[in-house]
Amino acid sequence: EAGVAQSPRYKIIEKRQSVAFWCNPISGHATLYWYQQILGQGPKLLIQFQNNGVVDDSQLPKDRFSAERLKGVDSTLKIQPAKLEDSAVYLCASSLSQDLYEQYFGPGTRLTVT
Amino acid sequence: AQKVTQAQTEISVVEKEDVTLDCVYETRDTTYYLFWYKQPPSGELVFLIRRNSFDEQNEISGRYSWNFQKSTSSFNFTITASQVVDSAVYFCALALYSSASKIIFGSGTRLSIRP
Repeated sequence: EAGVAQSPRYKIIEKRQSVAFWCNPISGHATLYWYQQILGQGPKLLIQFQNNGVVDDSQLPKDRFSAERLKGVDSTLKIQPAKLEDSAVYLCASSLSQDLYEQYFGPGTRLTVT
Repeated sequence: AQKVTQAQTEISVVEKEDVTLDCVYETRDTTYYLFWYKQPPSGELVFLIRRNSFDEQNEISGRYSWNFQKSTSSFNFTITASQVVDSAVYFCALALYSSASKIIFGSGTRLSIRP
C-alpha cells in the first residue's frame, strides 16, 4: 500500500514570496491533515479536512495560509506571502476517518524562508 | 487547556542499554487518548501505540513497553536492549475524546543509540 506522498521535499524561498505544497493521501482515506513542525517542536495541526470539507482550521493563520482539497483526494497548502517564522517542516497525514486515531504521515516538506 | 511535556530533550545511550522516555500530560477531561510516535531521520512520523484513559494496563510489544499511570499523569516509554535503529525523535501526544482527531504533541525526545 502506497503511503502519503508529499512534494516538494525541500523548498527555499525569500520572505514575501509565495509557496505551495502538495499532498496525496493514502487511497480511500477520507480525512486529511496538515501540520506545521518547527525545529525542536512537535507537530501542530494547521487544518483538517473530512473529504473536501474543512473540519478544523482554528490554528491556520488565515491571513497568509490557505488550503484546499477540491475533489476530496489531493490537497494543497499555500503560503502567501511567506515570513521568516514560517520556516518549518510541513507534514501531511491521512486517516480512514476522523473517528480513527491512527494517522499516517508523509515525509514532509522542509521550507526555509530567507 | 491540554499540554504534553517531554522534559528530556536529548538522550544518548550505548547499544543494548535500556532507556526510558518520560511523558507527562495535563488535561481536565477524564476521557482521552495517549499516543507515542517515532520520527526517524527520514521525517515520517510512525505510529507506535494508542491508549485510552480507561485502560491503565501496561503494554509490551517486543522490546517496547509503555507504563501508563493516571495518578501521576504519566505515560512513559521504555526500550529494552536498545539498538542503533531505535535512534529517532520520539513524540508523546494526547487527544481528547471530544475532539479525538486533534492530536496535541509534546516537543519530542531525541534518542541516540551509540554502537
